[in-house]
Amino acid sequence: EAQVTQNPRYLITVTGKKLTVTCSQNMNHEYMSWYRQDPGLGLRQIYYSMNVEVTDKGDVPEGYKVSRKEKRNFPLILESPSPNQTSLYFCASSPSGPSYNSPLHFGNGTRLTVT
Amino acid sequence: AQSVTQPDIHITVSEGASLELRCNYSYGATPYLFWYVQSPGQGLQLLLKYFSGDTLVQGIKGFEAEFKRSQSSFNLRKPSVHWSDAAEYFCAVGAINSGTYKYIFGTGTRLKVLA
Repeated sequence: EAQVTQNPRYLITVTGKKLTVTCSQNMNHEYMSWYRQDPGLGLRQIYYSMNVEVTDKGDVPEGYKVSRKEKRNFPLILESPSPNQTSLYFCASSPSGPSYNSPLHFGNGTRLTVT
Repeated sequence: AQSVTQPDIHITVSEGASLELRCNYSYGATPYLFWYVQSPGQGLQLLLKYFSGDTLVQGIKGFEAEFKRSQSSFNLRKPSVHWSDAAEYFCAVGAINSGTYKYIFGTGTRLKVLA
């Protein structure tokens, strides 16, 4: 089954403790992206990647890191999480980036709480 | 700068009534436009997409959307709402600009359906 898989679904951590949220897709998509969803703010893009070893900042990249060493994986790293990073995070992928035949496919989300 | 506006945060309709969710975009070129639906606790699912051609596009679950260039709008409609349509709906633009490749989302409209 074609899918985007994120882990974990729920994560509670403390301020400053490094964490990684994994994302994997099995559709051979070139484009992958991370979003955070906050009430009243919709989805905001954190980082995206057009292909292996090609990443770029989205609209809210501060406090996050990403890497794209393999086409299928795009982990999100929080080196020193803070409470304002408490949010619902989504990973998404598309065949080739923004175009008509390249809509985003989403994972089921990771709810992160930083205390 | 590119942006997407969904003016209605919440909409309540009765089951069987018609529905229209508004979306306005700001983008210099012809946009790639998408509507997504998010059911509680789930990721986002694509309802429909548009780039060019017939300005009325059909999607899944009986939804349709109309592109109006003069109004920079891409409103989502459904003739008769079912209780299972209760969810949050997001309009999005696929934007390529100055070497950046982004999908920009609106803040969402939460739909409540009355029995």
